[in-house]
Amino acid sequence: GAVVSQHPSRVICKSGTSVKIECRSLDFQATTMFWYRQFPKQSLMLMATSNEGSKATYEQGVEKDKFLINHASLTLSTLTVTSAHPEDSSFYICSASTGTGELFFGEGSRLTVL
Amino acid sequence: AQTVTQSQPEMSVQEAETVTLSCTYDTSESDYYLFWYKQPPSRQMILVIRQEAYKQQNATENRFSVNFQKAAKSFSLKISDSQLGDAAMYFCAYRRYNFNKFYFGSGTKLNVKP
Repeated sequence: GAVVSQHPSRVICKSGTSVKIECRSLDFQATTMFWYRQFPKQSLMLMATSNEGSKATYEQGVEKDKFLINHASLTLSTLTVTSAHPEDSSFYICSASTGTGELFFGEGSRLTVL
Repeated sequence: AQTVTQSQPEMSVQEAETVTLSCTYDTSESDYYLFWYKQPPSRQMILVIRQEAYKQQNATENRFSVNFQKAAKSFSLKISDSQLGDAAMYFCAYRRYNFNKFYFGSGTKLNVKP
């Protein structure tokens, strides 16, 4: 299957700082990537759809200014959590869809905001 | 709106035995895809099996098979000869044809007893 790599896998930051998470498709080009948030023992919540070369599409209730998404190339999307607060602590997962319609996921990034 | 329901928060199965995980969904579309994803303790989501709605034949992948009942909007996953490595969270997912957005169920935690 297609490989999606996410970095960093774990990050700890102080409240008020910004954190960037990278998502790369290693062996295919992804015009669209997705960012999910997962709370403990819960399902994945779609935050936004990242489109190469254009603005991301955010789901209702997701703050655009807090969660900045950039999809600069066909293999890279980044999620920046700005002015992070403890309530932003979560597991963030990126994914990309191939032409076969399947969704392939990155390893996930655990963010802890102190 | 599309919704995916997994009514079993947790299931247990004895090693080498068979277990079935349930999933129902709600849609007014006729063309769509259904998936089962596995999330082991490592947290990376892995595709287990997929089913195209237009196909009447149930998908199978080695020990994994589905029972797709389109009229009933049911999509259950059967795991045969369960192995310890099958222990994970299992998520059912729906995707509309020609539309990249995935909808996930709440997940079923599968325990495999030796």
